Amino acid sequence: ETGVTQSPTHLIKTRGQQVTLRCSSQSGHNTVSWYQQALGQGPQFIFQYYREEENGRGNFPPRFSGLQFPNYSSELNVNALELDDSALYLCASSLQNWETQYFGPGTRLLVL
Amino acid sequence: SQKIEQNSEALNIQEGKTATLTCNYTNYSPAYLQWYRQDPGRGPVFLLLIRENEKEKRKERLKVTFDTTLKQSLFHITASQPADSATYLCALVDAGGTSYGKLTFGQGTILTVHP
Repeated sequence: ETGVTQSPTHLIKTRGQQVTLRCSSQSGHNTVSWYQQALGQGPQFIFQYYREEENGRGNFPPRFSGLQFPNYSSELNVNALELDDSALYLCASSLQNWETQYFGPGTRLLVL
Repeated sequence: SQKIEQNSEALNIQEGKTATLTCNYTNYSPAYLQWYRQDPGRGPVFLLLIRENEKEKRKERLKVTFDTTLKQSLFHITASQPADSATYLCALVDAGGTSYGKLTFGQGTILTVHP
């Protein structure tokens, strides 16, 4: 059984660009959640996908969007990047949408 | 307003002692509360989950208590070791008004265990 994986591990972008981050969920898990973690803070919920549908969303603007694929892997897309988008982006998968979430190693995004 | 707060930003203890971390919340009705460990530059690692109707959970040297009257969870590491040094995060899932398991996190406590 493989754990949650994320790619890339690090990314540098400039303001105004667009970025796509990827996540492969743990085997058998049908729910993926995305979180943003600023330095020195706890993770903040962006949104959750359950069986390819967005199942809930946190307080993030529409330029943060996502997808979940039939194999339950997921993408996070961020358009019109801003400096404050610099953070560690975490993906977590779970067996069902209410169960314990298991996190990947994260993607460190730096926006210059 | 809703808040989840971990009382100490940093906690320093000597090896062998018990570390006690605190998590307080306001204006939530947690279905359950979880504790995670996070090492620098890594994702959080799940440690323990405690449900609203449970008072205490144990796993090896770890113990979690949950007091819904005080709106507080305590996380204990007994016989602490330098390898326990990390950031510890509490997170809850609010039973009120959501149909999905959104985790709301505290800001974390940095634990350092000195040899």
